[in-house]
Amino acid sequence: DTGVSQDPRHKITKRGQNVTFRCDPISEHNRLYWYRQTLGQGPEFLTYFQNEAQLEKSRLLSDRFSAERPKGSFSTLEIQRTEQGDSAMYLCASSPRESRGDYGYTFGSGTRLTVV
Amino acid sequence: DQQVKQNSPSLSVQEGRISILNCDYTNSMFDYFLWYKKYPAEGPTFLISISSIKDKNEDGRFTVFLNKSAKHLSLHIVPSQPGDSAVYFCAFRDNAGNMLTFGGGTRLMVKP
Repeated sequence: DTGVSQDPRHKITKRGQNVTFRCDPISEHNRLYWYRQTLGQGPEFLTYFQNEAQLEKSRLLSDRFSAERPKGSFSTLEIQRTEQGDSAMYLCASSPRESRGDYGYTFGSGTRLTVV
Repeated sequence: DQQVKQNSPSLSVQEGRISILNCDYTNSMFDYFLWYKKYPAEGPTFLISISSIKDKNEDGRFTVFLNKSAKHLSLHIVPSQPGDSAVYFCAFRDNAGNMLTFGGGTRLMVKP
């Protein structure tokens, strides 16, 4: 297992279309996080899972955003009816449940979304 | 509300000199303070961290300082190398350990 994998790396979509991104965490990691990063800003927390349970979703940007982790392994993030303001880098990260605060998460390389 | 601020969007340093990156925060409920480094087209990678009960942590060329009274975090890189050129983010973990809050980043350029 070489790390957190995200697919696709790049996605260009027309406004109004739905998009779905996939994240495969490090296999022994129980926790999975989604972040969004816009140009010139730091990553912004969206949601996280512990195994298959979504424990925090109040930071999802609107009801157009949803995430799943059906079997506690990979996760998907879906954006419905995309808008130009959704253009950003979407980052996935994972960590063990009993995460020691001193080493943080492992991030994937992200999916860059461009809405035209 | 911006709980974490990196006031310098960019920093240029000569190779071999010290790089000092700074971060200010407002939330007293953070328990761990971390620095991440990000190269273009890659995700952030963990660099170094410090617990809220300490004021200094060293790892090779990297030293992180925490001043809780001033709510200030800094990263020192000595000596700076061209390969250190990247965007650096400070990040803070809340007491519940459920999420990291990131600053806006500082782009470090180390000139040969």
